[in-house]
Amino acid sequence: EDQVTQSPEALRLQEGESSSLNCSYTVSGLRGLFWYRQDPGKGPEFLFTLYSAGEEKEKERLKATLTKKESFLHITAPKPEDSATYLCAVSSNTGKLIFGQGTTLQVKP
Amino acid sequence: NAGVMQNPRHLVRRRGQEARLRCSPMKGHSHVYWYRQLPEEGLKFMVYLQKENIIDESGMPKERFSAEFPKEGPSILRIQQVVRGDSAAYFCASSPGQAEQYFGPGTRLTVT
Repeated sequence: EDQVTQSPEALRLQEGESSSLNCSYTVSGLRGLFWYRQDPGKGPEFLFTLYSAGEEKEKERLKATLTKKESFLHITAPKPEDSATYLCAVSSNTGKLIFGQGTTLQVKP
Repeated sequence: NAGVMQNPRHLVRRRGQEARLRCSPMKGHSHVYWYRQLPEEGLKFMVYLQKENIIDESGMPKERFSAEFPKEGPSILRIQQVVRGDSAAYFCASSPGQAEQYFGPGTRLTVT
């Protein structure tokens, strides 16, 4: 059964304190791994797509990496506006996304 | 370029009534997906549609729920005879193909 597990569930950082979020997955035939950001009361906002092991993508203070079993979202020198829930999802062979439970990040000034 | 649009944003229904949720995909996108987010739970896939076709409905409850994406107009998620357990945020996403999906702001359904 396709499954996505994210850790930690919640993370508190001080502004400027770098860290990483983990996403472990099992899927029959990975067609893509996706990272989204979700703010309270809003829809998920697309961040990155990764397709193959070794691939990396960056956007401002965020960097996503992919191995055969997991993905990491590295946050460098975070700011309070980076506070949100970060969602990881994998795409199955029918195109539907299977989401993890998310990591809720709080960055304190 | 407008994003995915959903309406209404908030919907209150009494038990036993019908709920109709609408989704207009991004321009040029012909693939629509519906997801449900229950309180304190993650996003769960419900149904995947292309114009006039249901491609994958493996996440749809067997009864009371239906979805369509007609040739003209928005995609509709319809819930008949709502119950309290249907209270959730319903998100629509669109895609130009089986690639990254862009989400709308969601419809928050409350059943009283």
